Amino acid sequence: EDKVVQSPLSLVVHEGDTVTLNCSYEVTNFRSLLWYKQEKKAPTFLFMLTSSGIEKKSGRLSSILDKKELFSILNITATQTGDSAVYLCAVPNTNAGKSTFGDGTTLTVKP
Amino acid sequence: DTGVSQDPRHKITKRGQNVTFRCDPISEHNRLYWYRQTLGQGPEFLTYFQNEAQLEKSRLLSDRFSAERPKGSFSTLEIQRTEQGDSAMYLCASGPTAGTTDTQYFGPGTRLTVL
Repeated sequence: EDKVVQSPLSLVVHEGDTVTLNCSYEVTNFRSLLWYKQEKKAPTFLFMLTSSGIEKKSGRLSSILDKKELFSILNITATQTGDSAVYLCAVPNTNAGKSTFGDGTTLTVKP
Repeated sequence: DTGVSQDPRHKITKRGQNVTFRCDPISEHNRLYWYRQTLGQGPEFLTYFQNEAQLEKSRLLSDRFSAERPKGSFSTLEIQRTEQGDSAMYLCASGPTAGTTDTQYFGPGTRLTVL
């Protein structure tokens, strides 16, 4: 069965800090890995990664995938209180059907 | 593009009652997903439709849970004989044609409380 494990489970930092969130996976046929941000509502899409070593970047957020070691990281630089959320990692199956989600990392950014 | 919508947003019911939720996906999306999420957990897959065809479903949907997407547009999720353990957020997501992107766009969810 596909498995996605995120670490740490929670993280508390101060504004301006840089954080790194981890996602490791075990899937039968890797297709892609997605990162979502979830505040007090539904998850919103951040990144989709398919190739190893190619960094995806959006403002202060960036993510990279390592298909050999089966993990991805999400970096947030110069954190702001608005970054406080649960960050979810997900891996869809071969047919883009079932996605297996990790349990998320809860990030709290204090002013 | 109004995004994915779900109705109702909140539902409180008594144990043993049946409930039905509705999801309206983004209009041009042919993929539709249902997930369940409880506090401190990631979304748990329930079922997946491509157009009107239900292509995948978890073991959870073999008993009291059933989902339909009769015309390939909106979808309904029914839970029969609800139990307190069914209390959760039920999320619907949609996505464009498989092979373009795996991104899923989530609705606001229906929060179910079973008393």
